[in-house]
Amino acid sequence: AQSVTQLGSHVSVSEGALVLLRCNYSSSVPPYLFWYVQYPNQGLQLLLKYTSAATLVKGINDFEAEFKKSETSFHLTKPSAHMSDAAEYFCAVSARMEYGNKLVFGAGTILRVKS
Amino acid sequence: EPEVTQTPSHQVTQMGQEVILRCVPISNHLYFYWYRQILGQKVEFLVSFYNNEISEKSEIFDDQFSVERPDGSNFTLKIRSTKLEDSAMYFCASSEGTGTYGYTFGSGTRLTVV
Repeated sequence: AQSVTQLGSHVSVSEGALVLLRCNYSSSVPPYLFWYVQYPNQGLQLLLKYTSAATLVKGINDFEAEFKKSETSFHLTKPSAHMSDAAEYFCAVSARMEYGNKLVFGAGTILRVKS
Repeated sequence: EPEVTQTPSHQVTQMGQEVILRCVPISNHLYFYWYRQILGQKVEFLVSFYNNEISEKSEIFDDQFSVERPDGSNFTLKIRSTKLEDSAMYFCASSEGTGTYGYTFGSGTRLTVV
């Protein structure tokens, strides 16, 4: 069965600093991995996804994530934090069903950006 | 950009009442899902729907829950007799295909059972 662990329920960075949100996965088959962002009182927005085409994946708003099979990790980074990045971030792994895919989410990491 | 639309955005209901949460998925998508997020907890899979029938459901999705696609555009989640523990944010999602396709989520319905 697939699962995701996000290390750190809260991360605080200064504006302009590097953002690093950690995600480790467990999967018995080659995984598809996703990062979603949830702004206050809004839905889940796809940031980026790994689908085995390239290990370094670029997403929206200058976020990127690197798939490392040896470390079973898919950490999310952004070189320079902006105040508008304050949100909750969810890592998810896709679990194949007979029809469709089920997303298994991590517990989420709340990112706080200090001015 | 195409969106998944959910209504209402907030719903307050009395315990024991029936509620229907509504969703309009993206028109060319084939797979439809409901997820929920209890405050402070993980986003959890409830049910998937394909070809006009449930394709998989979680252990959470018991007999009090049902889904249907009554008219080819709307996708509804019905909770027959709400309990306090049903209070959560409910997200509808749709996807064009399987595997590498990500979902598009709606903005959610916050259900409060009192």
